[in-house]
Amino acid sequence: AQTVTQSQPEMSVQEAETVTLSCTYDTSESDYYLFWYKQPPSRQMILVIRQEAYKQQNATENRFSVNFQKAAKSFSLKISDSQLGDAAMYFCAYRSAQGGADGLTFGKGTHLIIQP
Amino acid sequence: AAGVIQSPRHLIKEKRETATLKCYPIPRHDTVYWYQQGPGQDPQFLISFYEKMQSDKGSIPDRFSAQQFSDYHSELNMSSLELGDSALYFCASSLRQGAEQFPAKTQYFGPGTRLLVL
Repeated sequence: AQTVTQSQPEMSVQEAETVTLSCTYDTSESDYYLFWYKQPPSRQMILVIRQEAYKQQNATENRFSVNFQKAAKSFSLKISDSQLGDAAMYFCAYRSAQGGADGLTFGKGTHLIIQP
Repeated sequence: AAGVIQSPRHLIKEKRETATLKCYPIPRHDTVYWYQQGPGQDPQFLISFYEKMQSDKGSIPDRFSAQQFSDYHSELNMSSLELGDSALYFCASSLRQGAEQFPAKTQYFGPGTRLLVL
C-alpha cells in the first residue's frame, strides 16, 4: 500500500514571500500521479496542481510549482508571492496509474498561515 | 464551468437511522468517487464507480453501500448510523481518458455533505 507523508503540520509565511511545503511518498509502482489539493476554511477541496510520474518536467500553475524528485519519492509544492487567500490546509495526494486503483491516498496535511 | 454537485449540503440524523447522500458529477465525467473526512483528518477513500460499475473499494464500512445510475449520478447509502460517522463526505468525479479541460484521472471534488449523527 502506498503512503504519503507531510512532515510539516503547520507552516507560516509573510505575505508576498515564498514558501515550500514538503511531501514524500512510498510506492513500489513506477507509474502514478501526484496532486496537491488546497482546503480553505470553507472545506472545499480545490485542485492546485498535478504531476504525472513519467514526466520529468516539473508542473507549474501560475504562482504554484512543484519539485518532483522521483528517485527520492519527493513532491514539494512551492508557492511564490504568497497571498492572504493562499491560507488553507494543503494536502498532498497519490494515485496509482493502474486500472481499478482509483482512490487517492492523502497525507495528513500542512496548515499554511499567511502573515500580513 | 459546471462543478460536482452534492446534496444535501447538511444532514442531521439520529443514531441507528439511515442516510442517503447524492452526487452529480461534472457533465461527461465517467468516474465518481466517495471520500469521508473526519474532523481534523485527511480524506479517506471509500469507493468509486466507472461507467456504473464499481471500480475500486477503500475503507467503506459494510453498513454503507453506493451505486452509480444510468445518468452517472451516484448515491451513498448509510445505514445503522453511528456517532463516528459524523464527518464531511465528498464526492469527486473524473474523466478516465481525459480531455483538454480535464486531464485524465484528475479528481474534481464537490462541496461535500456535512453529516452530523446525534
